Amino acid sequence: QKEVEQDPGPLSVPEGAIVSLNCTYSNSAFQYFMWYRQYSRKGPELLMYTYSSGNKEDGRFTAQVDKSSKYISLFIRDSQPSDSATYLCAMIAAGNKLTFGGGTRVLVKP
Amino acid sequence: DAGITQSPRHKVTETGTPVTLRCHQTENHRYMYWYRQDPGHGLRLIHYSYGVKDTDKGEVSDGYSVSRSKTEDFLLTLESATSSQTSVYFCAIIRTEGTEAFFGQGTRLTVV
Repeated sequence: QKEVEQDPGPLSVPEGAIVSLNCTYSNSAFQYFMWYRQYSRKGPELLMYTYSSGNKEDGRFTAQVDKSSKYISLFIRDSQPSDSATYLCAMIAAGNKLTFGGGTRVLVKP
Repeated sequence: DAGITQSPRHKVTETGTPVTLRCHQTENHRYMYWYRQDPGHGLRLIHYSYGVKDTDKGEVSDGYSVSRSKTEDFLLTLESATSSQTSVYFCAIIRTEGTEAFFGQGTRLTVV
């Protein structure tokens, strides 16, 4: 079993809809949680990071962490075609071990 | 982007030849990582470094070696390239505070 599980998608939504992405993890040592966006043939770009349970907002993006359930989410409001990309969750444990989910491909249709 | 530069950005090489990829950072972060990304496999850790001359293996380290003689440079070497090492290679750093990771733009390596 992988330490971090992420549905590969693809997830297709109409423009303006809310995109909801999730990851589950099994290692309770993970302390920091991140979401990346990756366009085709580009490097992952950091969108959000957080370290505590609860919600964190940044513009159209909301990151949610539930450490008791070992579950993190990313919500994208008012989605745009330019949000079409692969979204990766990542987590850091003590000792700076960095582990990724497999990524979810998102397609926002005009 | 934490000042991360990967070189070369693209390379085609022949099976059996040695290849070295370079990752350079300008912010003196302690932790540096090499990942490969392949369709259906996501990002897989090859090797990482937690300081000068301090390195450790990741989940897919066979056929790869690394060196870090200076804080700013982390080198990945394919001793004898094979077609299975055709991939996109990403370097990453974690900020010293351990809170976020940033990536380079990637090196697209093709082994023919």
